[in-house]
Amino acid sequence: AQSVTQLGSHVSVSEGALVLLRCNYSSSVPPYLFWYVQYPNQGLQLLLKYTTGATLVKGINGFEAEFKKSETSFHLTKPSAHMSDAAEYFCAVSKRDFNKFYFGSGTKLNVKP
Amino acid sequence: NAGVTQTPKFRILKIGQSMTLQCTQDMNHNYMYWYRQDPGMGLKLIYYSVGAGITDKGEVPNGYNVSRSTTEDFPLRLELAAPSQTSVYFCASSPRGSAGLRIKTSGGTDTQYFGPGTRLTVL
Repeated sequence: AQSVTQLGSHVSVSEGALVLLRCNYSSSVPPYLFWYVQYPNQGLQLLLKYTTGATLVKGINGFEAEFKKSETSFHLTKPSAHMSDAAEYFCAVSKRDFNKFYFGSGTKLNVKP
Repeated sequence: NAGVTQTPKFRILKIGQSMTLQCTQDMNHNYMYWYRQDPGMGLKLIYYSVGAGITDKGEVPNGYNVSRSTTEDFPLRLELAAPSQTSVYFCASSPRGSAGLRIKTSGGTDTQYFGPGTRLTVL
């Protein structure tokens, strides 16, 4: 069975500081991994995804994530937070042979001026 | 392209009432999904469809029904609304090259595109 754990339901950083949002997954086989962002009263938008190849994945808005198989992790980072990054972020996994997604419970990012 | 559209945006139901949440996509995607989002719980898959005429249950299907008569539309039906169904409902679609519940990937899976959501309250 697939599951996704996001550590920290709320993360607060200062503008310009490093953003680190944690995601760990459990899966019997390496899955596909995704990060989505949700702004208030909107649907989810894809930030980035890992399927195969390079384990460091770059996404939109300066975000990146690294797939670490040994740690079963896919943490999301951004070197310098911007006020516009304030949103809720969801990590998701999908099995490789079955297009079904499992989402984490989300992390709300607050960016302080 | 309008992408994925959902109607209505908001709805209040009384216990025992029924309603249909509409979802339409104009991207010719084979896969469509319904999720519910409860505070602090992330998204839970209710039902999904891999193509017209094919649907299957997700994690939390009880109390819901779906149909998929066309590629574009994937309505979600609540027959007897209960307070536990108060939630935000998201429809999503994903492009796939072939139908079937189990398909071989060619090295990647596809992004899901989400609608703006329907906020449902059952009183």
